[in-house]
Amino acid sequence: ELKVEQNPLFLSMQEGKNYTIYCNYSTTSDRLYWYRQDPGKSLESLFVLLSNGAVKQEGRLMASLDTKARLSTLHITAAVHDLSATYFCAVDKAAGNKLTFGGGTRVLVKP
Amino acid sequence: GAGVSQSPSNKVTEKGKDVELRCDPISGHTALYWYRQSLGQGLEFLIYFQGNSAPDKSGLPSDRFSAERTGGSVSTLTIQRTQQEDSAVYLCASSLDRGRYQETQYFGPGTRLLVL
Repeated sequence: ELKVEQNPLFLSMQEGKNYTIYCNYSTTSDRLYWYRQDPGKSLESLFVLLSNGAVKQEGRLMASLDTKARLSTLHITAAVHDLSATYFCAVDKAAGNKLTFGGGTRVLVKP
Repeated sequence: GAGVSQSPSNKVTEKGKDVELRCDPISGHTALYWYRQSLGQGLEFLIYFQGNSAPDKSGLPSDRFSAERTGGSVSTLTIQRTQQEDSAVYLCASSLDRGRYQETQYFGPGTRLLVL
C-alpha cells in the first residue's frame, strides 16, 4: 500500500526567511505533485515532478524529486504572507491513476 | 476556460437521508475522480472514471456510496442513508487522458456535506 508522509505538519514562518517541507513516499511511483489549498478553497496545482532529479521553480517556491530516496522537497525562499496556505504532496502509481495524498503542511507566514 | 464545477457548494442533510453530489469536469477531460477531505482522514480517493472503462471503485468506503458518469462527462456521487461520519468536503477532479505525459488533476471547489 502506498503511503505518503509530510513533515512538518505545521510551519510557522517569518517573512524573509527560507523553509523546506518534506514529502516521503513508500513505494515506487511515476510522478509526484504539489498542491496548495487556501482555507475554504479547493486544491491548486503547483508542480508536477516526473523523474529523478527533477526540479521546478515558480516564484518563491521550488520543488525537487529524488526517486531513489523516495523524497520530494518544497523549498520556500524569502517567505511572504501570501504564501500562507496548506501544502499537499501527492503521488500516483501510474499516469492518470488515483492520487495518494500526504497529510498536508499548514504554513503560516507571520510579518 | 471553465474549470471543474461542483454542485451544490454546501449541503446539510439529516442522518438517514440520501444525497446526490454533482461534478462537471473540464470539457474534453476523459478522466474524472472523486476524493473526500475530512479532518480525521485527510484527503482520500473514492472512485475514478477513465473514458469507457469500468470505474475504479476501490476507495469507496461502503456500499452506501456509488457514482456514475453519464455520457463521459457529468458525474454524480450518491450517498445513501447518510451517517454523521460522512460529513466532509467532497472534491471532484478531472484530467486530460491517462496516458499523457504531463498529467495533472484539476480540482473543483468541492461540496461541503454536513450530516446532522
